Amino acid sequence: DSGVTQTPKHLITATGQRVTLRCSPRSGDLSVYWYQQSLDQGLQFLIQYYNGEERAKGNILERFSAQQFPDLHSELNLSSLELGDSALYFCASSVGPHKTGELFFGEGSRLTVL
Amino acid sequence: TQLLEQSPQFLSIQEGENLTVYCNSSSVFSSLQWYRQEPGEGPVLLVTVVTGGEVKKLKRLTFQFGDARKDSSLHITAAQPGDTGLYLCAGARDDKIIFGKGTRLHILP
Repeated sequence: DSGVTQTPKHLITATGQRVTLRCSPRSGDLSVYWYQQSLDQGLQFLIQYYNGEERAKGNILERFSAQQFPDLHSELNLSSLELGDSALYFCASSVGPHKTGELFFGEGSRLTVL
Repeated sequence: TQLLEQSPQFLSIQEGENLTVYCNSSSVFSSLQWYRQEPGEGPVLLVTVVTGGEVKKLKRLTFQFGDARKDSSLHITAAQPGDTGLYLCAGARDDKIIFGKGTRLHILP
C-alpha cells in the first residue's frame, strides 16, 4: 500500500461527458502528479501541483484540468470525453517539488469511454 | 520522440537465466529511477541513481547509472517468475518526471 488513494477505481461513461478523478496523497506529501497510461503511449505526464500551486505541465489537453485543494487532495477533470481518452489515470505524490523523481503511485482510475 | 528509450520492449526468458534491460536518452538527468508495475497496480519505486557511474544492488537486481548520466541499465541475475512485470525507467527534468515506455518482462517457470 503506497498510501496514495485514488477514486473511482473504474469508470465507464459516454463520449461528450465529463468526469472527475480524485486523489489523496500520502500523509505529509505536498506534491501531486497526474499521469495517463495507455498501451501505446506508456505513462504520459499530465500535470504537477505543489502545495496547491501548479508546478509543471506536460501533455495535458485543454479539455482536461486539475487542481490541488488546501487539504492537498487533488482532482483531475476530464470533459468533452472522446473514445481516445480511455486509459488508466494515475496519481502520484512526493514529499516536495525536488527533482529526484521518487514518486508513490495510487492504484489508478480506469476510464472507459464508450 | 520519446525522451527515454527502453529496450527491449518485451523479453521472455526461462527461470534461472540472467538478463539486462536498458534505458537510454540523449539528455542528461539529475537522477534516474527504476519502477516495477504489475497488472492492475501503480508503478512501485525500486531504486534511484544519482551519481554518474553509480551502481546499486537490490538482492538479485543490479542498477547502473551511466557515467554521463544519460543512460541506465538493470541487470537481473537468476530470474524468477516473481520478477515478471513491466519495468519502467524515469528521469527528472525541469520539474517533470518523464517515464520510458517500459520493458515488459515475462519469466517462464
